[in-house]
Amino acid sequence: EAQVTQNPRYLITVTGKKLTVTCSQNMNHEYMSWYRQDPGLGLRQIYYSMNVEVTDKGDVPEGYKVSRKEKRNFPLILESPSPNQTSLYFCASSPGTAEKLFFGSGTQLSVL
Amino acid sequence: DQQVKQNSPSLSVQEGRISILNCDYTNSMFDYFLWYKKYPAEGPTFLISISSIKDKNEDGRFTVFLNKSAKHLSLHIVPSQPGDSAVYFCAASPQGGSQGNLIFGKGTKLSVKP
Repeated sequence: EAQVTQNPRYLITVTGKKLTVTCSQNMNHEYMSWYRQDPGLGLRQIYYSMNVEVTDKGDVPEGYKVSRKEKRNFPLILESPSPNQTSLYFCASSPGTAEKLFFGSGTQLSVL
Repeated sequence: DQQVKQNSPSLSVQEGRISILNCDYTNSMFDYFLWYKKYPAEGPTFLISISSIKDKNEDGRFTVFLNKSAKHLSLHIVPSQPGDSAVYFCAASPQGGSQGNLIFGKGTKLSVKP
């Protein structure tokens, strides 16, 4: 089954404790992206990657890091999480068009 | 500065009636528009799109209308069904449908009552 898998689904952590949210897709898509969804703000892009070893900032990249060492994986790293990074995070991948943008099921992160 | 605006956070409609969800944009460089649908505990899924060279695109019960002069688009669902209850995101792209640089609105929560 074609899918984008994010882990974990839920995560509660404390300020300053480094964490990684993993994202993996099995569709051989070149494009991958991270979004965060906040009440009243909709979906905002954090980082995206057009291909292996190619990443770029989205609209809200501060406080986040990404890497794309393999085509299928695109982890989101929070080196020193803060409470304002409490949010619902979505990973997505696409073969090249917005219509075929596949989203994962989301990771609900709470930073205390 | 919000480039894609969905000014109605919620909409309630009776089953069988028409649902109209609205979206306004400010950037005249946008040339491709999409609607995504999101159920609770799931990621958004693509619903329907329209290029700026068209003013209407229809797919079954879903029709998207684009008014470029007003920088406005709308999604019509006819007839509405309880299974349509979800959050609908409008998105715009300045790159002809490329997945990069998609700008999303805040979303409108649609409730279709039986």
